[in-house]
Amino acid sequence: AQSVTQPDIHITVSEGASLELRCNYSYGATPYLFWYVQSPGQGLQLLLKYFSGDTLVQGIKGFEAEFKRSQSSFNLRKPSVHWSDAAEYFCAVGPSGTYKYIFGTGTRLKVLA
Amino acid sequence: NAGVTQTPKFQVLKTGQSMTLQCAQDMNHEYMSWYRQDPGMGLRLIHYSVGAGITDQGEVPNGYNVSRSTTEDFPLRLLSAAPSQTSVYFCASRGDGGRTDTQYFGPGTRLTVL
Repeated sequence: AQSVTQPDIHITVSEGASLELRCNYSYGATPYLFWYVQSPGQGLQLLLKYFSGDTLVQGIKGFEAEFKRSQSSFNLRKPSVHWSDAAEYFCAVGPSGTYKYIFGTGTRLKVLA
Repeated sequence: NAGVTQTPKFQVLKTGQSMTLQCAQDMNHEYMSWYRQDPGMGLRLIHYSVGAGITDQGEVPNGYNVSRSTTEDFPLRLLSAAPSQTSVYFCASRGDGGRTDTQYFGPGTRLTVL
């Protein structure tokens, strides 16, 4: 079955520290992978996406993610976190068929000043 | 472009009441969808549409109806609200550029059913 796992429900980091959010997926075909960010009370905004090619993908707001097929992972990273990065982050895979995306349960990031 | 808009932002219903959540997009996107977001569950697909007049069920369709009479609008109807439908609802749209096209989300509707 297709699935996305984000093993960390909450992560707390200090401002200026590095960040890695984990995402593992189970998908029968070549996956299309996404990371979204959701600020409190807001909708989801696309940070980056991977379809093919270079396995290191650059996104907005200084984020990057690396696709590792052997580990079925697509972890999100940022070298230096800013207080404004505090939000909830969702990994997603798909679409299956025409439009069925599968989302992980999210990781809530807290940034300490 | 306004992107994807949703109304209302907040709604409180009593069990058994009906209502329609509105969603509109001005990007001429063919693909539109409704998700619900619950704590610890991520986003789950309720219904989706691949064009005017064409809709299909997602992961959790029970208790919800949709229709797509125009490209721009994709309303979600709750015919008889239940407390289990308390959630945050997001509408999304995607262009017809294929699987690689970006999915855009609206700001959400927070629904409470008493």
